[in-house]
Amino acid sequence: DTGVSQDPRHKITKRGQNVTFRCDPISEHNRLYWYRQTLGQGPEFLTYFQNEAQLEKSRLLSDRFSAERPKGSFSTLEIQRTEQGDSAMYLCASSPLGGDGMNTEAFFGQGTRLTVV
Amino acid sequence: LAKTTQPISMDSYEGQEVNITCSHNNIATNDYITWYQQFPSQGPRFIIQGYKTKVTNEVASLFIPADRKSSTLSLPRVSLSDTAVYYCLVGDGTGGFKTIFGAGTRLFVKA
Repeated sequence: DTGVSQDPRHKITKRGQNVTFRCDPISEHNRLYWYRQTLGQGPEFLTYFQNEAQLEKSRLLSDRFSAERPKGSFSTLEIQRTEQGDSAMYLCASSPLGGDGMNTEAFFGQGTRLTVV
Repeated sequence: LAKTTQPISMDSYEGQEVNITCSHNNIATNDYITWYQQFPSQGPRFIIQGYKTKVTNEVASLFIPADRKSSTLSLPRVSLSDTAVYYCLVGDGTGGFKTIFGAGTRLFVKA
């Protein structure tokens, strides 16, 4: 396993179009996260899954955004009716399930850079 | 989730030791402190994590005082390739890695 993989690496789309990104986490990791990062800012949490269950969504995730992880393995993030403000790097990360209050390391993919024109 | 404060940017020269301090006044008892490094057009990469006192690995050291309200990432003998953004994160991980990243510290290493 070579780590977290994201596809595509770059996406240019016209405003109003729908786009879908894919994330393949490290195979034994239960947790999967999506983040959005704009230029000069740190990553912003969007949502996370534990296995196939989507346990939390940030209020940043508008109704146009939907994420799935149907079999608890790969995940997709879809943005409907894209807007120019959606232009950003979308990062996926995965981590093993930590216990007893121990923080766990998250492994990030290289991201998908979305440009909405 | 505890908020962190760190310098926006720092400059250094090759071969110097760099110390980046992060404030986290509202850190909770179960929270760990984690530092990540990010290069342009790449996802963040884990550097080091600690709970208290000092932690050292092959790339960095992390110093945490007794009150845990701050922490210092120490990078020994930096090179040009250490030019990156460094994020200090605080969280307990029990609810998943939802930690707030903040804007990070942009370290620029000069020759």
